[in-house]
Amino acid sequence: NAGVTQTPKFRILKIGQSMTLQCTQDMNHNYMYWYRQDPGMGLKLIYYSVGAGITDKGEVPNGYNVSRSTTEDFPLRLELAAPSQTSVYFCASSYSTGEAFFGQGTRLTVV
Amino acid sequence: KNQVEQSPQSLIILEGKNCTLQCNYTVSPFSNLRWYKQDTGRGPVSLTIMTFSENTKSNGRYTATLDADTKQSSLHITASQLSDSASYICVVSANTGFQKLVFGTGTRLLVSP
Repeated sequence: NAGVTQTPKFRILKIGQSMTLQCTQDMNHNYMYWYRQDPGMGLKLIYYSVGAGITDKGEVPNGYNVSRSTTEDFPLRLELAAPSQTSVYFCASSYSTGEAFFGQGTRLTVV
Repeated sequence: KNQVEQSPQSLIILEGKNCTLQCNYTVSPFSNLRWYKQDTGRGPVSLTIMTFSENTKSNGRYTATLDADTKQSSLHITASQLSDSASYICVVSANTGFQKLVFGTGTRLLVSP
């Protein structure tokens, strides 16, 4: 049982480059989330999805895009990377308001 | 404004000792309160989840308490082990139709031999 799987684990991007952070879950959860964690700060919600085909903005969505074409996958797209997007990104999933399960994180550095 | 505050920010204890971490919140409407353990370089892992009507919940050596009237929670760790060294994050869920999780900044615990 893999749970929530994120790839890649680490990535260095140059300013202006684009990339997609992948997230997949095998628990048939309807809710999926993307968070970022900056040093000394609590996790901040970027985007979330309550089901396939439905996405919505969280607290800090600027500079990011998401899609949810299947229940399992919830990729996060950075179109024009900026140094302010240097962070650790966590994907999570849950069954409605139940326990949230987190992936191992992607450490992104934009230089 | 929805907020979760944790104290202390960091803590060092000797192996085998007990400790208590604190969480105060101003999140409305309240749905549930969770404690997560986050090892360095890993994602958070759930320890406990408590609803409004629950005062205490245990998970092995971890015991969480909730006082919904004062909006306070604590996490007590008994007979600490070196593997308890981690950040402990208090998370409050707001019942807004969508489950909005409000995260504290965590308490960084170091258990020293």
